[in-house]
Amino acid sequence: GAGVSQSPSNKVTEKGKDVELRCDPISGHTALYWYRQSLGQGLEFLIYFQGNSAPDKSGLPSDRFSAERTGGSVSTLTIQRTQQEDSAVYLCASSQVSGQNTGELFFGEGSRLTVL
Amino acid sequence: SQKIEQNSEALNIQEGKTATLTCNYTNYSPAYLQWYRQDPGRGPVFLLLIRENEKEKRKERLKVTFDTTLKQSLFHITASQPADSATYLCAPQRTGRRALTFGSGTRLQVQP
Repeated sequence: GAGVSQSPSNKVTEKGKDVELRCDPISGHTALYWYRQSLGQGLEFLIYFQGNSAPDKSGLPSDRFSAERTGGSVSTLTIQRTQQEDSAVYLCASSQVSGQNTGELFFGEGSRLTVL
Repeated sequence: SQKIEQNSEALNIQEGKTATLTCNYTNYSPAYLQWYRQDPGRGPVFLLLIRENEKEKRKERLKVTFDTTLKQSLFHITASQPADSATYLCAPQRTGRRALTFGSGTRLQVQP
């Protein structure tokens, strides 16, 4: 596809379970971002991957959250031992970095996570 | 700490009027500033990017200004339409390959 693809679009899980959210960025985009958006709130930065550089993990809220990006393409966000406060929409975006400009971000439609 | 402020109250205007949204930032020296539109249940969509050496940028009915002295960007939609109703997010961007952080957004409602 031409855009950023995220799966699943909806995930309902029980408290304490682990979940994995997947992001397939636009081909050729070197930068990939994960954000979290709680109901009625703004975008909360989680993690940023840029090429082969070490990821910027400064936004991850706890050590239950982790993400990896394999082969510079697909990324997986993992939440371990989910809590009810993890319920939110998780948005992935990618961009083509040019020089010192991050470039415009292309977002997926998000994965809505509900923790019961 | 770095802070991005957008009016959290919804902006309600009549169709045909000009909507003006404000983005203020503190403890930032952005080289660029981006604006996005987000519709309910959808991911944000890029609208405009303005550089620090550009005072104004236009795209169709959209106009963005960037005042690095006031640390403020204004986003204008002229001849607004009900279809312009959405939440608008600003994102000041520093130089370097850094993650983009967003303001909390302002919801615009255009009444027919």
